[in-house]
Amino acid sequence: RKEVEQDPGPFNVPEGATVAFNCTYSNSASQSFFWYRQDCRKEPKLLMSVYSSGNEDGRFTAQLNRASQYISLLIRDSKLSDSATYLCVVMYRDDKIIFGKGTRLHILP
Amino acid sequence: DVKVTQSSRYLVKRTGEKVFLECVQDMDHENMFWYRQDPGLGLRLIYFSYDVKMKEKGDIPEGYSVSREKKERFSLILESASTNQTSMYLCASRREATYGYTFGSGTRLTVV
Repeated sequence: RKEVEQDPGPFNVPEGATVAFNCTYSNSASQSFFWYRQDCRKEPKLLMSVYSSGNEDGRFTAQLNRASQYISLLIRDSKLSDSATYLCVVMYRDDKIIFGKGTRLHILP
Repeated sequence: DVKVTQSSRYLVKRTGEKVFLECVQDMDHENMFWYRQDPGLGLRLIYFSYDVKMKEKGDIPEGYSVSREKKERFSLILESASTNQTSMYLCASRREATYGYTFGSGTRLTVV
């Protein structure tokens, strides 16, 4: 099983819809979790950290399920500007950091 | 906001050349990293450094070396560039382990 796995997509979603994607990780000794956003030909930018209790930032909600070893990102009322690749990042207790390969999201007008 | 600056956005080098990629961060971060990103392979860690003069190999260090003489600067060196090192190179820094990275804008290197 790959260490961090994401559905590569693309997810083609109409503007205004809600979209969710998951990221699974294989090592239960994982300490910290993040979602990054990467626009085409640009660097990844931190979108949000993922906390055990779940957290929300505007239209974005991140959740962690340690028992099933996955994190999720929910985007409500999607905008055209949300089109990007979303990278899941998992950090292990030994400080090793693993990036997922990303999920491509296209918001359609 | 932390700023991570990479010296070149685009670079074209010849096979066999020695290539220097520079990265500077302005927020006194301890940890700095070099990644390369290739389609279908995602981000792969080349080298990292947790302190001045300190360096550790990442997952794909072969053909690369690094230098960290000052806290704010972390340089990636391609000793003898080869065409399979054509890639997007991303530098990142972070304050400490539980914080996320801040990435530079990347250097797209083409080796011909």
